[in-house]
Amino acid sequence: EDKVVQSPLSLVVHEGDTVTLNCSYEVTNFRSLLWYKQEKKAPTFLFMLTSSGIEKKSGRLSSILDKKELSSILNITATQTGDSAIYLCAVYSGGGADGLTFGKGTHLIIQP
Amino acid sequence: NAGVMQNPRHLVRRRGQEARLRCSPVKGHSHVYWYRQLPEEGLKFMVYLQKENIIDESGMPKERFSAEFPKEGPSILRIQQVVRGDSAAYFCASSPLDREAGELFFGEGSRLTVL
Repeated sequence: EDKVVQSPLSLVVHEGDTVTLNCSYEVTNFRSLLWYKQEKKAPTFLFMLTSSGIEKKSGRLSSILDKKELSSILNITATQTGDSAIYLCAVYSGGGADGLTFGKGTHLIIQP
Repeated sequence: NAGVMQNPRHLVRRRGQEARLRCSPVKGHSHVYWYRQLPEEGLKFMVYLQKENIIDESGMPKERFSAEFPKEGPSILRIQQVVRGDSAAYFCASSPLDREAGELFFGEGSRLTVL
């Protein structure tokens, strides 16, 4: 059974701090890894990673995939209160119905 | 707004009543997926539909739950005789036909509370 594990499950930091969120996976047919940000509404797409070692960047957020270690990290620098959300990692294996296995998410809280 | 539209956003039902959740996919998307999210849990796949077809419902409870995606109109997730354990956020997502890399577009969810 495909598995995605995120850590930590929750994290509280102060505004301005840098955070690193982790995602590790065990899937039979890896095709891509996706990060979503979920506030009190729709999960919104952040990054899709398919190749190892290539960093994807969007403003203060960046992410990288390590296929050897079967993991990915999501970095957020100079955090702001608006970064408070649940960050979901999902791995797409293309198999099965939706092909996506989601982790439980990391609940990030940024305190002013 | 051309995104995935779900309604209602919030729904309160008493035990034994029926809940109907609707989802209109992104225009041009032919695949719809329903997920359930319990507090502090990840998104759990329920059912995958194309127009007029259920492709996979392996994640959906066999009893009381049903889904459809008619030729015209939104996809509907129907929960009959709701119980307290059905209280959750139900998310719909859609994708285009050529979903090679796996990205899904999510709606804002319907939060069901069963009293």
